[in-house]
Amino acid sequence: AQSVAQPEDQVNVAEGNPLTVKCTYSVSGNPYLFWYVQYPNRGLQFLLKYITGDNLVKGSYGFEAEFNKSQTSFHLKKPSALVSDSALYFCAVRDRDGNNRKLIWGLGTSLAVNP
Amino acid sequence: EAGVAQSPRYKIIEKRQSVAFWCNPISGHATLYWYQQILGQGPKLLIQFQNNGVVDDSQLPKDRFSAERLKGVDSTLKIQPAKLEDSAVYLCASSLGVMNTEAFFGQGTRLTVV
Repeated sequence: AQSVAQPEDQVNVAEGNPLTVKCTYSVSGNPYLFWYVQYPNRGLQFLLKYITGDNLVKGSYGFEAEFNKSQTSFHLKKPSALVSDSALYFCAVRDRDGNNRKLIWGLGTSLAVNP
Repeated sequence: EAGVAQSPRYKIIEKRQSVAFWCNPISGHATLYWYQQILGQGPKLLIQFQNNGVVDDSQLPKDRFSAERLKGVDSTLKIQPAKLEDSAVYLCASSLGVMNTEAFFGQGTRLTVV
């Protein structure tokens, strides 16, 4: 069965430090992977996606994510965190090849960037 | 480019009452989604439309929830009668395609059932 795991409910990082928000997935075929961000009282915003090709994907607001097929991971990273990055981050996966084409969402990771 | 529009932003109703939410997707987007997001959880897909046809409504509680997409553009989601556990944020999203395209979300409707 398809699944997405975001193993950390909350990540705390100091402003200016690098940040990582972890995501691992399980699909029967090859994945399409997405990251979304949700600021307080706002809808979800698309950050970046992996479809095919280069394993390092660059997205909005300086974020990037690396697709690692052997580790079935798609961790979100940023070299230097800003206080304004504090938000809820969701990873999502869709099986490109399997019979179940639903987009499966993780439970979210709350990122707090401290000044 | 205008984003996904939803109304109302907030709604408070008593249990057993009915409520309706409206969504206007981004122009040209064939796929429209309704999600339910309970506080502290990820979004849960309620229904997905491709143009005006239903692609997936497997998680829609059909005894109380209904949705339609008028002429393949605007959509309404209705709850009748509402239960306390329906308190959540209802998110509408749209996308150009389905498989490898990202969805664009509206700001959501926060429903409180008392």
